[in-house]
This record gives sequence, structure tokens and C-alpha cells, in this order.
Amino acid sequence: GAVVSQHPSRVICKSGTSVKIECRSLDFQATTMFWYRQFPKQSLMLMATSNEGSKATYEQGVEKDKFLINHASLTLSTLTVTSAHPEDSSFYICSFKDGTVQETQYFGPGTRLLVL
Amino acid sequence: QQQVKQSPQSLIVQKGGIPIINCAYENTAFDYFPWYQQFPGKGPALLIAIRPDVSEKKEGRFTISFNKSAKQFSLHIMDSQPGDSATYFCAASNSGYALNFGKGTSLLVTP
Repeated sequence: GAVVSQHPSRVICKSGTSVKIECRSLDFQATTMFWYRQFPKQSLMLMATSNEGSKATYEQGVEKDKFLINHASLTLSTLTVTSAHPEDSSFYICSFKDGTVQETQYFGPGTRLLVL
Repeated sequence: QQQVKQSPQSLIVQKGGIPIINCAYENTAFDYFPWYQQFPGKGPALLIAIRPDVSEKKEGRFTISFNKSAKQFSLHIMDSQPGDSATYFCAASNSGYALNFGKGTSLLVTP
């Protein structure tokens, strides 16, 4: 399968600071990518969908000004959690859709965010 | 609103057993049904996927059974091993839109 990387794998920050998470597809180009959030022992919840060169579409209840998504290229997307608070602590996972294999989505290894 | 309902929530089988995980959906527009495996602290990994035009698909020890009329699909793991212990998620999507995940099944395969 395709390879997707995320950086950092783990981050601890103080409340009120901003954190940027990078997601890269290493061996294919993707026009569409997704950001998910997963709380302990729960399922993945879609936060937003973005197409390269366009603004992201956010799911209901996800604050677009708090979770800034930049789909900079066909292989790179970033999620910035602005003014993070303890309730933002979660596991953030990106995925890319491989346009050559229809709906197949490949997920990154995830980023564990802990806000103190 | 959970668009894909998954059961059971947890499952324990002995090595060599055949755990079965079931999922049901309501949206008849769904046309892609993947299963993902996730280990603690890792992202989900695609195991196997099926489309509504087939009733069964097998890849290695993993088999998906699909019942279009009942709007149900299931994952069977043949000859399960302790290394298969993980959380399994079913999902569904409509023509490449975002995946709708089930709540997950925590599988433990005992030696």
C-alpha cells in the first residue's frame, strides 16, 4: 500500500499555544485528503476534507478558525491547532485518497497531541 | 448519527478460531466498504475492501461477506493468531467521499 507520513508523532504543548502537524504522501499524489480525530477507545471522527488548491470543508461542530488546514500540494497537508486547550488533546490522523485506485484511503501513523 | 453500526464492541477468541465482525448500514448510496486494522498508537491500515457488485472477497486469511439486500457486511479472520489482536473498523463511503466509520471492535486472540 501507499505510504503516508506524519510529523510529529507526538507533541506536548502548553495551553494557548499553536501546534502544526504535517502529513505527507510519500509515493503518490493525492488531490483529496482528510483529517480525522480519534479519542481513546473511540472511532475516527472526520474533521475536514480538503482538495489541493481549495479551501477545506469542515464537518459540523469543527471550528475552522481553530483547526487551520493547508493543502499546499499534492503530497503535503498541514493541520494547525491554534490556541490549543486541554480538550483538544487527542490523536490526529490524516489520510490521502489515491485517485488512481478510486476510493482507497491511506492513513498516516497519527499524531498524539497532549495539551497541558 | 452513526451511519455504520458495528458489532460486537469486543471479541475474544483462541488462536486458530474465526472471529466474525459485523457491520450494517442504511444509506443505499454507499458503494465502497473497506475494513481497517489499527494497533494502539498507530494509524489505521487498510485490510480489505469490497464493492456491492460482489458477495464475497478473500485476501489471505481475511474474508468479507457482503449482503446487499440486508445492507450488511462482515469480516471473517481465518486461523486467527495473537498478532491479529487489534481494533478493527468497518467503514462505508459514497463514490469516494469521506469514509463513515463504525465504532470499532477490539479483538483479542489468546495463545
